Amino acid sequence: NAGVTQTPKFQVLKTGQSMTLQCAQDMNHEYMSWYRQDPGMGLRLIHYSVGAGITDQGEVPNGYNVSRSTTEDFPLRLLSAAPSQTSVYFCASYGGALGNTEAFFGQGTRLTVV
Amino acid sequence: DAKTTQPTSMDCAEGRAANLPCNHSTISGNEYVYWYRQIHSQGPQYIIHGLKNNETNEMASLIITEDRKSSTLILPHATLRDTAVYYCIVRVEYGNKLVFGAGTILRVKS
Repeated sequence: NAGVTQTPKFQVLKTGQSMTLQCAQDMNHEYMSWYRQDPGMGLRLIHYSVGAGITDQGEVPNGYNVSRSTTEDFPLRLLSAAPSQTSVYFCASYGGALGNTEAFFGQGTRLTVV
Repeated sequence: DAKTTQPTSMDCAEGRAANLPCNHSTISGNEYVYWYRQIHSQGPQYIIHGLKNNETNEMASLIITEDRKSSTLILPHATLRDTAVYYCIVRVEYGNKLVFGAGTILRVKS
């Protein structure tokens, strides 16, 4: 059981480049979320999904797009990378019951935009 | 969304109990209190959660006050490996978002 898998683990981008951070879970969880964590700060919610085909914005959605075509995958797209997007990105998944399930996190993608 | 308030940092001696407080005075009746921790920039790890009763598992105990406006996470015998940022989260109802605050930095010292 792999849990939540994020790829890549590390990435360096040039300003203006685009890329997709991948997140996959094998626990059949309904909910998935993306967070960013800047140095010395807490996790901030970027986008989340409550099921296949349904996504919504979190606290800091600007500059990021998401889609959820399958239960398993929740990719995060940076359309035009900016240095302000340098951060560690975490993906999480959790089950459907209201409030009564724990969230599982990936090990993070460390992104540097130069 | 119910907000939580935690101390910025705490120290604890190795082998002693670590008691981490959390205030959530605006919690709704059907919202749960969750605790997670993050060790050295790894992905956060679930610790425990509860609604109104005290809870205990192999990692920790959770004490929730009767009015549910505050709670305390207890690590009974803290070790150096428990040094981490501890997050108290109230699970929001709409959309099941999971929103983190700043957390408490717990430093366990020998």
